[in-house]
Amino acid sequence: DAGVIQSPRHEVTEMGQEVTLRCKPISGHDYLFWYRQTMMRGLELLIYFNNNVPIDDSGMPEDRFSAKMPNASFSTLKIQPSEPRDSAVYFCASRYQRVTEAFFGQGTRLTVV
Amino acid sequence: TQLLEQSPQFLSIQEGENLTVYCNSSSVFSSLQWYRQEPGEGPVLLVTVVTGGEVKKLKRLTFQFGDARKDSSLHITAAQPGDTGLYLCAGDYKLSFGAGTTVTVRA
Repeated sequence: DAGVIQSPRHEVTEMGQEVTLRCKPISGHDYLFWYRQTMMRGLELLIYFNNNVPIDDSGMPEDRFSAKMPNASFSTLKIQPSEPRDSAVYFCASRYQRVTEAFFGQGTRLTVV
Repeated sequence: TQLLEQSPQFLSIQEGENLTVYCNSSSVFSSLQWYRQEPGEGPVLLVTVVTGGEVKKLKRLTFQFGDARKDSSLHITAAQPGDTGLYLCAGDYKLSFGAGTTVTVRA
């Protein structure tokens, strides 16, 4: 397996634009997590899914953020409209069952100017 | 919400020295994981501890889970430059992370 695949690796966008980040989890994994990492706030859990269903989205900062998982092999995190304070590295991770190793993608570095 | 506090925030030591980083919470965890993250990469699992009082060793790394399952420590013996990175702890199924400890080992 190629591991967790995120795209794009880098994204630069202007304030107010819509941004969509994509994640392909490892095949067979039933949990998917989205994180945001900054120097100031560390690695923040935004939302996680189990069997494609959102379980906890309490970490989603505000209504501008939304996440979907239409099937077991794909998830998106959308920011609309984007703001400079959304600049961060966004990670996706997946794992099989509740307490096993989580595998992370290489992240998407988002810069909003 | 289960919060994990890690200390110290930063640690810089000379090659060959020992170090310990800590992960504490007021909540009880059924399990706790330690990850290491290198620049430009995602975190990678080092170990999972499940039983209160458990001690696990991974070469020069020793992990301990507190008896009450509220805290954990990571001890590195004879640190090497390759141990440099951000060490993160995460609790339970929700996989919420502490703020991490940035470890720098100088050659």
